[in-house]
Amino acid sequence: NAGVTQTPKFRVLKTGQSMTLLCAQDMNHEYMYWYRQDPGMGLRLIHYSVGEGTTAKGEVPDGYNVSRLKKQNFLLGLESAAPSQTSVYFCAIQDGGGKNIQYFGAGTRLSVL
Amino acid sequence: KQEVTQIPAALSVPEGENLVLNCSFTDSAIYNLQWFRQDPGKGLTSLLLIQSSQREQTSGRLNASLDKSSGRSTLYIAASQPGDSATYLCAAFTGGFKTIFGAGTRLFVKA
Repeated sequence: NAGVTQTPKFRVLKTGQSMTLLCAQDMNHEYMYWYRQDPGMGLRLIHYSVGEGTTAKGEVPDGYNVSRLKKQNFLLGLESAAPSQTSVYFCAIQDGGGKNIQYFGAGTRLSVL
Repeated sequence: KQEVTQIPAALSVPEGENLVLNCSFTDSAIYNLQWFRQDPGKGLTSLLLIQSSQREQTSGRLNASLDKSSGRSTLYIAASQPGDSATYLCAAFTGGFKTIFGAGTRLFVKA
């Protein structure tokens, strides 16, 4: 997972609490993504960004907000956590002008009680 | 709507066996198909990427094929080893920043 760093690796929240997940890259790729992975399901796209200062909604954006103030960082925020947001969250980056290979971070395991 | 399916969900084989993992997709309008490996508690590692104009890609003991007309991709692993035990996911890039992932096949190679 070299090149994509996610923090924190683990977190436990109570319902209603807020938190921010950080994704940092050192590969200078334009595109960044936030996915969630749930048992028995494929990864689902939450939000994505095609460049600094831009964000867009993915397949399951409700309950999440994102920001990309700097090209190398993509933040995922949960304003009021719910048990349904218990999941493993992955950040990915992609070189838009290349082969479109996606590179993933190691993930953040979030439990909402 | 593009859907990606991987069957079986789990597979157990003895060491040394050659095996094939299957991936099917419902819409042939894809830009590429990517195979990933995921170890427990870890992120996804890209194994092979096949562009829509290609039929196959090879890396070491791995060979991935793509048949857009039938909506299928296979990942062939030769001479399997216990270290190959992991979950293998396929993902179809459909453009518009959308990548549709299968749920994965969990592989266990017995020593």
